[in-house]
Amino acid sequence: SAVISQKPSRDICQRGTSLTIQCQVDSQVTMMFWYRQQPGQSLTLIATANQGSEATYESGFVIDKFPISRPNLTFSTLTVSNMSPEDSSIYLCSSGEGGTEAFFGQGTRLTVV
Amino acid sequence: GQQVMQIPQYQHVQEGEDFTTYCNSSTTLSNIQWYKQRPGGHPVFLIQLVKSGEVKKQKRLTFQFGEAKKNSSLHITATQTTDVGTYFCAGPYTGTASKLTFGTGTRLQVTL
Repeated sequence: SAVISQKPSRDICQRGTSLTIQCQVDSQVTMMFWYRQQPGQSLTLIATANQGSEATYESGFVIDKFPISRPNLTFSTLTVSNMSPEDSSIYLCSSGEGGTEAFFGQGTRLTVV
Repeated sequence: GQQVMQIPQYQHVQEGEDFTTYCNSSTTLSNIQWYKQRPGGHPVFLIQLVKSGEVKKQKRLTFQFGEAKKNSSLHITATQTTDVGTYFCAGPYTGTASKLTFGTGTRLQVTL
């Protein structure tokens, strides 16, 4: 199993600014994933973060808007850039290896005003 | 693209009643996973099913994977208030084992 610490847990940000979310895993994991969950909705995969290479983004998500870093096998960050109210959502990081169970961080509840 | 739908979207039951959520994928899945998300919390893994027709039980929860590996169900017997939350099924992206597509979710409310 893996324990993921995610921060901040919540934030209220001004439009046009950027917020960086951090996730720290208590063990080395090959792949980390970033999801967005809008209120009352399911999880939508933003991107896959691999150590040593650029993140792989899903359709509808671009690196300029959601830059991701993965400096080592236990840490990743997601930045939400040039925020607008439409970016208000819960952002979740997770780890999972080869189709086994996924472990999630506690989530970041972002409100853009 | 791959879609995973769940029904119902929401269900409200009295404590002690049974509950079932159904999960349907547009593509055949190598496995299906189930997660529970409590209000204000993050998804927590419940179980993984791999074999066609597989049935697994966890106390009052029964999970089933369809014969065609395109559908699954979660049945809770005699619900309790601690069962409140949203239940998601999730299957691997086609061709990629590690990425998951989450179902639309079923929100369960249990009252006394």
